[in-house]
Amino acid sequence: KNEVEQSPQNLTAQEGEFITINCSYSVGISALHWLQQHPGGGIVSLFMLSSGKKKHGRLIATINIQEKHSSLHITASHPRDSAVYICAVPLYGGSQGNLIFGKGTKLSVKP
Amino acid sequence: NAGVTQTPKFRILKIGQSMTLQCTQDMNHNYMYWYRQDPGMGLKLIYYSVGAGITDKGEVPNGYNVSRSTTEDFPLRLELAAPSQTSVYFCASSPQTGDYQPQHFGDGTRLSIL
Repeated sequence: KNEVEQSPQNLTAQEGEFITINCSYSVGISALHWLQQHPGGGIVSLFMLSSGKKKHGRLIATINIQEKHSSLHITASHPRDSAVYICAVPLYGGSQGNLIFGKGTKLSVKP
Repeated sequence: NAGVTQTPKFRILKIGQSMTLQCTQDMNHNYMYWYRQDPGMGLKLIYYSVGAGITDKGEVPNGYNVSRSTTEDFPLRLELAAPSQTSVYFCASSPQTGDYQPQHFGDGTRLSIL
């Protein structure tokens, strides 16, 4: 059964800073999800990635399958990026099955 | 385009009462999920469904029941509410199993059992 660890748990940054959030998991996988939970509680999927890197606007997600590690980067951070960022992986590894979620990283970007 | 709709948004129940959390999606997704989110904890899967008429237990199914009579609807039932079921409940859907497909989430139902 997979376990997911995110770091840091909380992160405060000044507007414009480069942000990195890390996710490690214990069982090999073929795909990893990054999600964003808004202060109001809504959850949206940001990325799914199985290798390398994906970019969407100022957000960049990378994954190293061999090291069982993924990072989410935010360039030129803005107060509207303040949210909880969650990574999720298949519960029993591989490429099938339901997801297990990390506890999230709460990001606060100050103007 | 409504996506995933959950009702109610908030509810307070007394211990021992029962209720149904409603979830409906208009994206014709086969896969649907119910999660609970407790403070400081990751989302945990309660039940999931891979299509109409098919449901299965997730990590934390005790105290809950589900049904899936149509593709669109996936209600979650609490039969005898207990304080441990105080949580925020999220319904989600995806076209197929979640590894290569994003899950679309509803806005959540905040439930308090007193």
